[in-house]
Amino acid sequence: AQSVTQLGSHVSVSEGALVLLRCNYSSSVPPYLFWYVQYPNQGLQLLLKYTTGATLVKGINGFEAEFKKSETSFHLTKPSAHMSDAAEYFCAVCESPYGNNRLAFGKGNQVVVIP
Amino acid sequence: DVKVTQSSRYLVKRTGEKVFLECVQDMDHENMFWYRQDPGLGLRLIYFSYDVKMKEKGDIPEGYSVSREKKERFSLILESASTNQTSMYLCASNQEGTWGTGELFFGEGSRLTVL
Repeated sequence: AQSVTQLGSHVSVSEGALVLLRCNYSSSVPPYLFWYVQYPNQGLQLLLKYTTGATLVKGINGFEAEFKKSETSFHLTKPSAHMSDAAEYFCAVCESPYGNNRLAFGKGNQVVVIP
Repeated sequence: DVKVTQSSRYLVKRTGEKVFLECVQDMDHENMFWYRQDPGLGLRLIYFSYDVKMKEKGDIPEGYSVSREKKERFSLILESASTNQTSMYLCASNQEGTWGTGELFFGEGSRLTVL
């Protein structure tokens, strides 16, 4: 069964520093991978997704993620953190576009940006 | 602007009460979902619906039921609320055929407290 691991429920980063959020997945087939972001008092919104093709995916607000099949990882990065990046970030995986397959979400990373 | 609207942002109910959480989407999406979000547990799928009057159990359906009488509206029902159902509830929708691979559009959430 598909699953997602996000380590470190809370992540602190200094303003201007690299943001790195780790996501590892388990899947029996090549997966579809997603990062969602939840700003305070809001629902989730899609940050970026990998389906097929180029393994480096660019998303909104300067974020990007790289799919590494050999490491079963889909880590999220942003070169320079901004105060507005303070939010909760969720990695998610879906094994197949066919049939009754749903997203499996990780437990989330709460990002705090320190001025 | 596309939208998923949840009727109540905050609710306080007593143990044993029947609770209705309403969700409406204006994107003509076939698929609608109810998730529960708890700190440290991420998002867990309660129920989803892929068509009017159709529903499928998610990962944690116990204690919940759903209703989808119209395409745009998906209701979550707690027949007899209990304190362990205190949580944030998120409604989401996406297009037919995309299941877990398509972008999910989320509402802002309904925070339920059961006393």
